[in-house]
Amino acid sequence: GAVVSQHPSWVICKSGTSVKIECRSLDFQATTMFWYRQFPKQSLMLMATSNEGSKATYEQGVEKDKFLINHASLTLSTLTVTSAHPEDSSFYICSARDFRDIQETQYFGPGTRLLVL
Amino acid sequence: GENVEQHPSTLSVQEGDSAVIKCTYSDSASNYFPWYKQELGKRPQLIIDIRSNVGEKKDQRIAVTLNKTAKHFSLHITETQPEDSAVYFCAATLGYNQGGKLIFGQGTELSVKP
Repeated sequence: GAVVSQHPSWVICKSGTSVKIECRSLDFQATTMFWYRQFPKQSLMLMATSNEGSKATYEQGVEKDKFLINHASLTLSTLTVTSAHPEDSSFYICSARDFRDIQETQYFGPGTRLLVL
Repeated sequence: GENVEQHPSTLSVQEGDSAVIKCTYSDSASNYFPWYKQELGKRPQLIIDIRSNVGEKKDQRIAVTLNKTAKHFSLHITETQPEDSAVYFCAATLGYNQGGKLIFGQGTELSVKP
């Protein structure tokens, strides 16, 4: 149980284009999902908290107009990197928490590697 | 906000030896402390966690200890094996009522030499 998927697993795009990444909880419902970014040899940096049916909460320094988050259902959250630039190239990972679980365990997706040329 | 410091950044041990990774946190309200193992290019995998009402937890070769007074917690891996080689992250969270956000340490690259 507690499987989280991400799609696509990797994407290469040209500078200026937008890229959408999907995060799905496959066998549980997640009222809350989290989006992280990880640069090579670095830790996971929380970008935003995605709440089902409401606006996402962004961490300080993360541009909400550039990283659009939509959490339209209890099993799906999407992150759209708008007008991507080479500096946005990174490993994007989502995590989800089972809403029935009073614990705080987060289950991570496999990540999406983004390369912006 | 919460801040998590992790040491060492790299750790090299011989197979069969023990490995210890230490973390400190800043917010005394933090109440949940998971440890993740991440292999190159893959997702973080939860290996063990501990809550603030417990001082120690063990799962086979892995154990975690928590000192709430000093605000630090440690991961202990005994009888290390080459497959334990990976990057390990500690994390702390303020808990569900605070949004359940995980704040990660900087990571420790563990290398187990055969």
